[in-house]
Amino acid sequence: KNQVEQSPQSLIILEGKNCTLQCNYTVSPFSNLRWYKQDTGRGPVSLTIMTFSENTKSNGRYTATLDADTKQSSLHITASQLSDSASYICVVSDYNTDKLIFGTGTRLQVFP
Amino acid sequence: DAGITQSPRHKVTETGTPVTLRCHQTENHRYMYWYRQDPGHGLRLIHYSYGVKDTDKGEVSDGYSVSRSKTEDFLLTLESATSSQTSVYFCAISDQGTEQYFGPGTRLTVT
Repeated sequence: KNQVEQSPQSLIILEGKNCTLQCNYTVSPFSNLRWYKQDTGRGPVSLTIMTFSENTKSNGRYTATLDADTKQSSLHITASQLSDSASYICVVSDYNTDKLIFGTGTRLQVFP
Repeated sequence: DAGITQSPRHKVTETGTPVTLRCHQTENHRYMYWYRQDPGHGLRLIHYSYGVKDTDKGEVSDGYSVSRSKTEDFLLTLESATSSQTSVYFCAISDQGTEQYFGPGTRLTVT
């Protein structure tokens, strides 16, 4: 069964610190891997999209990496801000069905 | 929220009653999707549409029906609501089936 697993489930960091979120998936073959940010009470918003041939993609202080051989991705947040407090969701697109498979997310809290 | 609105934003209803949720877009995107989000689960696809009057089932479609009579509107109907359908429902749109843009969500409680 195609799965996307994220770790940790939750994370607390201090403002200004860096952090890395992990995503492991079993979807194969896949078209692309996405990271979304979801603020409380809002819909998910796309941060990055990487195809299977891309290793890294940045969006401001957010940098996503992808290792298609080990089926792992990470999202690195640099110099965290209070506004980074949100859930971060890893999503993998199944090449055969075009369906998106969502992870359960990592809940990040940034404290001053 | 990329020109997507959902209505209502919150609803409480009783078991056995019909409920219709509306998704409206101003982007003229071809594809529209309904997802539900529950604790401990990733977003799960209920139904999707690839054009006016063209719809198909997702992975959790039992108990739900959809209709799309206009490009801009995608309706999700719970024919007879059950407590297991208490959830947050998100509509999403995309143009070429790639990037999906999500609406603000509807929180539905079935008592």
